[in-house]
Amino acid sequence: AQSVTQPDIHITVSEGASLELRCNYSYGATPYLFWYVQSPGQGLQLLLKYFSGDTLVQGIKGFEAEFKRSQSSFNLRKPSVHWSDAAEYFCAVALRVSGNTGKLIFGQGTTLQVKP
Amino acid sequence: DVKVTQSSRYLVKRTGEKVFLECVQDMDHENMFWYRQDPGLGLRLIYFSYDVKMKEKGDIPEGYSVSREKKERFSLILESASTNQTSMYLCASSSQGNEQYFGPGTRLTVT
Repeated sequence: AQSVTQPDIHITVSEGASLELRCNYSYGATPYLFWYVQSPGQGLQLLLKYFSGDTLVQGIKGFEAEFKRSQSSFNLRKPSVHWSDAAEYFCAVALRVSGNTGKLIFGQGTTLQVKP
Repeated sequence: DVKVTQSSRYLVKRTGEKVFLECVQDMDHENMFWYRQDPGLGLRLIYFSYDVKMKEKGDIPEGYSVSREKKERFSLILESASTNQTSMYLCASSSQGNEQYFGPGTRLTVT
C-alpha cells in the first residue's frame, strides 16, 4: 500500500543552522511528491513539488528538496533556518484515483522548533 | 491567487447535534477534499468530490457525509456529532495537477 513516513516527529535547530527534514515514501509508480508547511492555527501552504525532471526542486521561502528514487526519499532542506520557519511540515505523495483526480497521502508531520 | 475559504475557524457543538462545515473555492477547480487533522496522525481524507453531485469515500468516511451542489462549494456534514469527532477539519481543492490548495481550517469541539 502507498504510504509516506516522516521519521522525525519533532526537530529543534538553532536559528541560522541548516535543516533537513526526512521523508520516505512507498509507491509503485513514479510518484508526484509534495512538501507543505502549516503555521500554528493555519491551513497548509505548498512549499514545493516534484513531478518529473530535475531531481533537485526549488521551492518558496528558500527551501529545496531532492528526489532520490533509489532511496524512496524526498528530503526537504534549507541552508539557514529563520525563526519564522518554526511550523509543522508535511510530506505527501499523490495517488491517482480516477481521470484527473488525485488524492494526497500525507506523512505524520514533523514539528520544527527554532532556537534563538 | 487561489482562495479556499471555510465558514468557521472555531466551532463548538454538543453531542448529537447535526453539524455543517462549508468550504468554498474561487478557482473553478474540479476536485474538492475534506480532511481531518489530529496530532500524530497527520491528515486523513474523509471524502472527496471530482465533480458536482459526485462524491467518493476517503479513508475515514464513517460518521460523515458530504454535499456538492455547486462546483465551488463542498459541504461536510456530521449527522450526529460525537466527541471523537473533535478535530481540525481542512478543506482543499485541486485541478488536474494534483497540487491541492487548502483552506485555513475549522477547529471543531464536540462537548
